[in-house]
Amino acid sequence: NAGVTQTPKFQVLKTGQSMTLQCAQDMNHEYMSWYRQDPGMGLRLIHYSVGAGITDQGEVPNGYNVSRSTTEDFPLRLLSAAPSQTSVYFCASSTLTGNTEAFFGQGTRLTVV
Amino acid sequence: AQTVTQSQPEMSVQEAETVTLSCTYDTSESDYYLFWYKQPPSRQMILVIRQEAYKQQNATENRFSVNFQKAAKSFSLKISDSQLGDAAMYFCAYRGETSGSRLTFGEGTQLTVNP
Repeated sequence: NAGVTQTPKFQVLKTGQSMTLQCAQDMNHEYMSWYRQDPGMGLRLIHYSVGAGITDQGEVPNGYNVSRSTTEDFPLRLLSAAPSQTSVYFCASSTLTGNTEAFFGQGTRLTVV
Repeated sequence: AQTVTQSQPEMSVQEAETVTLSCTYDTSESDYYLFWYKQPPSRQMILVIRQEAYKQQNATENRFSVNFQKAAKSFSLKISDSQLGDAAMYFCAYRGETSGSRLTFGEGTQLTVNP
């Protein structure tokens, strides 16, 4: 039972480059989300999805793009990386109801130089 | 919008002692859920404990317990008999009944356990 698989674990990008962070879950969760973690700011929501074909913006969506073509996958795209996007990124999934916990991927440490 | 505040950026405790981490939140919702997550150096996010707002009884999981004060909008985490493995960043998180599955996190508290 893999849970939430997030790749890569580490990445260095040059300013202006693009990349996709991959996220897959095998728990048939409806809800998937992307967060970024910065020192002193906790985790902030970038984008989220409540099901295949449905995505919406979170608290800090600028510079990021997402799609949800299947229940399992929820990739995060950086179209033109900026130093301000240097952060640790987490993908998470959960059911849509009640107090069920969110399951997190192992995180991606991204550095934009 | 809901906000979650952890006013203690860093805390330390002696091994085997008890420590309490503070968390306050602001919401206009009556139904919601609160969580404490632990993030060790491995970066993995691990659920420690959860509390439903409609339950008056404080949640307990082994050495971890919460003091949930709904009127004061306070949700503190008590760690008893602290162990070296408890050293981690701890995040308080809020999930509102009307905000779907969106989690709002506090800033985090870095806990050090001294031998």
